[in-house]
Amino acid sequence: AQSVAQPEDQVNVAEGNPLTVKCTYSVSGNPYLFWYVQYPNRGLQFLLKYITGDNLVKGSYGFEAEFNKSQTSFHLKKPSALVSDSALYFCAVRAFSSNTGKLIFGQGTTLQVKP
Amino acid sequence: EAGVAQSPRYKIIEKRQSVAFWCNPISGHATLYWYQQILGQGPKLLIQFQNNGVVDDSQLPKDRFSAERLKGVDSTLKIQPAKLEDSAVYLCASSIGPNSGNTIYFGEGSWLTVV
Repeated sequence: AQSVAQPEDQVNVAEGNPLTVKCTYSVSGNPYLFWYVQYPNRGLQFLLKYITGDNLVKGSYGFEAEFNKSQTSFHLKKPSALVSDSALYFCAVRAFSSNTGKLIFGQGTTLQVKP
Repeated sequence: EAGVAQSPRYKIIEKRQSVAFWCNPISGHATLYWYQQILGQGPKLLIQFQNNGVVDDSQLPKDRFSAERLKGVDSTLKIQPAKLEDSAVYLCASSIGPNSGNTIYFGEGSWLTVV
């Protein structure tokens, strides 16, 4: 069965410092991995995804994520955090399928960036 | 390009009453999803449509929840009768197709409180 773990409920970082939000996954076969961000009282916004190819994926708002197959991880990173990055971040995984493939979400990690 | 549209944004009902949510996906997107997000948790798939056919409704509580996508575009999700534990955000999402590599785009959500 597919699963996603986000081991930290909350990550605190000072503005201007690098940030990392951790994600590990479990899936049969090759994974498709996604990061979404949710601001208060809003829906989920797509940040980036890994399908195949380069292990370092770049996405919106300066975020990037590194796929590590041996560690089954897909950590979200940003070199310099902004206060406006404060939000709830979700990692999600999908097993390969051509006609269906449930997107399974982690529990979410709240990122707090302090000025 | 317009995003996924949902209405109403907020709804408060008493238990045992009924409620309906409407969704209009991104133009041209054949695959439509309804997710339930309970406070403090990641979204959980309720039902997935491909055009007007159901692909996956394995986690839809069919004794009280129903959903339809009659013409392969708009969709409605109905809850009748509502229970207190149905208080959640109902997220509609769409993707261009069902392939696992396709990005799923979410609407702003319909926030339900059952009292």
